[in-house]
Amino acid sequence: KNQVEQSPQSLIILEGKNCTLQCNYTVSPFSNLRWYKQDTGRGPVSLTIMTFSENTKSNGRYTATLDADTKQSSLHITASQLSDSASYICVVSAGGYNKLIFGAGTRLAVHP
Amino acid sequence: GAVVSQHPSRVICKSGTSVKIECRSLDFQATTMFWYRQFPKKSLMLMATSNEGSKATYEQGVEKDKFLINHASLTLSTLTVTSAHPEDSSFYICSARGSTSGRDYEQYFGPGTRLTVT
Repeated sequence: KNQVEQSPQSLIILEGKNCTLQCNYTVSPFSNLRWYKQDTGRGPVSLTIMTFSENTKSNGRYTATLDADTKQSSLHITASQLSDSASYICVVSAGGYNKLIFGAGTRLAVHP
Repeated sequence: GAVVSQHPSRVICKSGTSVKIECRSLDFQATTMFWYRQFPKKSLMLMATSNEGSKATYEQGVEKDKFLINHASLTLSTLTVTSAHPEDSSFYICSARGSTSGRDYEQYFGPGTRLTVT
């Protein structure tokens, strides 16, 4: 069964601190892995997308890693800001690009 | 990046009425559009996939007669919730996929529509 699991479920950090969110997946055939940021009451916005051959990708203060062997990905946020408070969703695309498997998300709260 | 809009952003309707939600790709042609539903603190659940000019493909458990999807053009898809009930209250999000920047597999999400049925 295709599944994407994220941890932690929720996280509180102080402004300026770094944090790492985890994503484990069992999806076959694997096509690509995406991280999205979803603000409350808004649609998801893409942060990074990685194919099988890519093991790291950065977008500003966001850096995603992918280990296709262990089927794990992480999203590292550097020097967090209050505006980083949101849900971060790991999404794996199962072959043919039509099927996106969503993780439940990690709810991040950045406090001053 | 590509832009997808939804209208309305919020709608309140009475039980038994129908509501139409529009999803538009503003700067690219969307050959495929997806409709998702999201409950509070939960992740997105795919309801249906529609290809322009074809009938939508619904996920298991989604009533096609209740959630009518039309994808009449390459830039517009509509979701109509018919005979709405309070349990249909949810956050509805569309996404669109097309050929933009050569990355055919990229999906772009709309900002969502909050439906409240009273």
